[in-house]
Amino acid sequence: NAGVTQTPKFRILKIGQSMTLQCAQDMNHNYMYWYRQDPGMGLKLIYYSVGAGITDKGEVPNGYNVSRSTTEDFPLRLELAAPSQTSVYFCASTLGGQISLEAFFGQGTRLTVV
Amino acid sequence: SQKIEQNSEALNIQEGKTATLTCNYTNYSPAYLQWYRQDPGRGPVFLLLIRENEKEKRKERLKVTFDTTLKQSLFHITASQPADSATYLCARINGSSNTGKLIFGQGTTLQVKP
Repeated sequence: NAGVTQTPKFRILKIGQSMTLQCAQDMNHNYMYWYRQDPGMGLKLIYYSVGAGITDKGEVPNGYNVSRSTTEDFPLRLELAAPSQTSVYFCASTLGGQISLEAFFGQGTRLTVV
Repeated sequence: SQKIEQNSEALNIQEGKTATLTCNYTNYSPAYLQWYRQDPGRGPVFLLLIRENEKEKRKERLKVTFDTTLKQSLFHITASQPADSATYLCARINGSSNTGKLIFGQGTTLQVKP
């Protein structure tokens, strides 16, 4: 199993550009999440999904959109990139509910907006 | 607000000693606390979960305690090794445990010197 796979690993965007961060998991997890991590800070939740077709906002959703058409994939869309979105983005998944609360993370996408 | 806080100062210890990291929470009583390890440029990796009715949990050289009176969790690494050098994050479940959303502390960086 590959676990949680994120692409790309690095990206530089110009202000106003758009991009999609890809996330895929092969563990058949129902629950998936997008976090961002700024230097010296903990991770903050952007969006999450408890199953295909169901998404909801986290703590810092502004400027982002998500979709969940399959159990495996959970892409994060930045429509109009701003310098404040410079960060490291982590996708995560869990089996969910009371069964397991352990979260599995991808290796991250380092995004710089200039 | 419901905060979870870790000592942001780096912890430097000598190889073979016990490292103790602190996680404090305020204004709520989490049902679970989790600890993750994060290496530079990598995503967090789950280490341990402790429930509020468990005072202590162990895994190999790792030990976590949960003191609901002090509103604190302590994370211990015994017989520390240079390979234990990393940032350690504590996290609590945000809201219903059925969603698996996590709120993270800012992390404490541990440096183990040979």
